[in-house]
Amino acid sequence: KNEVEQSPQNLTAQEGEFITINCSYSVGISALHWLQQHPGGGIVSLFMLSSGKKKHGRLIATINIQEKHSSLHITASHPRDSAVYICAAPVRVDSNYQLIWGAGTKLIIKP
Amino acid sequence: NAGVTQTPKFQVLKTGQSMTLQCAQDMNHNSMYWYRQDPGMGLRLIYYSASEGTTDKGEVPNGYNVSRLNKREFSLRLESAAPSQTSVYFCASVGHARFEQYFGPGTRLTVT
Repeated sequence: KNEVEQSPQNLTAQEGEFITINCSYSVGISALHWLQQHPGGGIVSLFMLSSGKKKHGRLIATINIQEKHSSLHITASHPRDSAVYICAAPVRVDSNYQLIWGAGTKLIIKP
Repeated sequence: NAGVTQTPKFQVLKTGQSMTLQCAQDMNHNSMYWYRQDPGMGLRLIYYSASEGTTDKGEVPNGYNVSRLNKREFSLRLESAAPSQTSVYFCASVGHARFEQYFGPGTRLTVT
């Protein structure tokens, strides 16, 4: 069983739709990292959250620490949101932290 | 701030050749990481450095060496490149929140 599971693996939607990507984790400290990988390959940090909800533009991330579950929402989706979205859970290794990565959700927004 | 920079962006090597991938960050971060990403796959940790002067193996260290030259720079060396090392290599550093990683643009390496 993967320690960080994302769903769905692939998602295709029409422009304007509300998008939800889910992440469940069984490891790590009480925090979760959401990242975006563009079609060109670059990786961008979106959110690091340990409680409640964070919002940045049309992106909203929520986390339920007790249930070890997080969701990433995109409102009014646009073709430029097409990317792979990855969640990762920080785990402590000796005195440092490493990330346990989800497999990613490939999102395609059609115009 | 340039953030995390990597050089080169692209490289083609012949089997057996050596090369060093360079990574630098200007955010005063303590921890730095090297990952590889194979086509259609997730990131795998090669080596990491919790602080200047320390390095530790990650999930897939074989065939690689690293050097944490100073707080800013963390290099990855392939002593004798193999086709199995064809991949995209990402460097990352960890911010002051200790968990949030910032990534460089990647180096696309092909070994023929």
